Amino acid sequence: GQSLEQPSEVTAVEGAIVQINCTYQTSGFYGLSWYQQHDGGAPTFLSYNGLDGLEETGRFSSFLSRSDSYGYLLLQELQMKDSASYFCAVRQAGTALIFGKGTTLSVSS
Amino acid sequence: EAQVTQNPRYLITVTGKKLTVTCSQNMNHEYMSWYRQDPGLGLRQIYYSMNVEVTDKGDVPEGYKVSRKEKRNFPLILESPSPNQTSLYFCASSSRQGAGNEQFFGPGTRLTVL
Repeated sequence: GQSLEQPSEVTAVEGAIVQINCTYQTSGFYGLSWYQQHDGGAPTFLSYNGLDGLEETGRFSSFLSRSDSYGYLLLQELQMKDSASYFCAVRQAGTALIFGKGTTLSVSS
Repeated sequence: EAQVTQNPRYLITVTGKKLTVTCSQNMNHEYMSWYRQDPGLGLRQIYYSMNVEVTDKGDVPEGYKVSRKEKRNFPLILESPSPNQTSLYFCASSSRQGAGNEQFFGPGTRLTVL
């Protein structure tokens, strides 16, 4: 079967660094994406990794190791507004994205 | 403004009463898809379309139909809704179906089937 595993919840304080891991087992793989979703809102794109390594976009970075079927999203200098759900998603040939079940990040002051 | 719109945003209906949720994008995207989101289950793909008149099933297509007669529109049809289709639905579009493409999501439609 196909699956993406990520932690269901993560908590942290403002200013801290948090890493959200994602392991995947899929029949095809064209890259790993990350999406953010605030309560009641639509998912919004954060980052994409098609090749192994680290991609950095401001306070957010994403990493991929295709040999380990593993990736992570790193959030630095956490702010209250980062409290949201974060989804990893794998693109497969011929289909759309397969999403993980999401990680709820709670940032406290 | 580049956007994906969905209508209605909220809908309460009864079992068996046919309904359509519309989705439209103004970005000239080839690729469109529908997802449902349920607590603890994340986003699951219902149907997707790679271009006009080209549609295919996603992971949970049972009980749904779609059509893609125009590039900008991708309506989701529930011919005979049932309570297990109560969910939050998202339409999304992207410029190409391939590695790295960012999907733009609509605001969501919260459907309740009684």
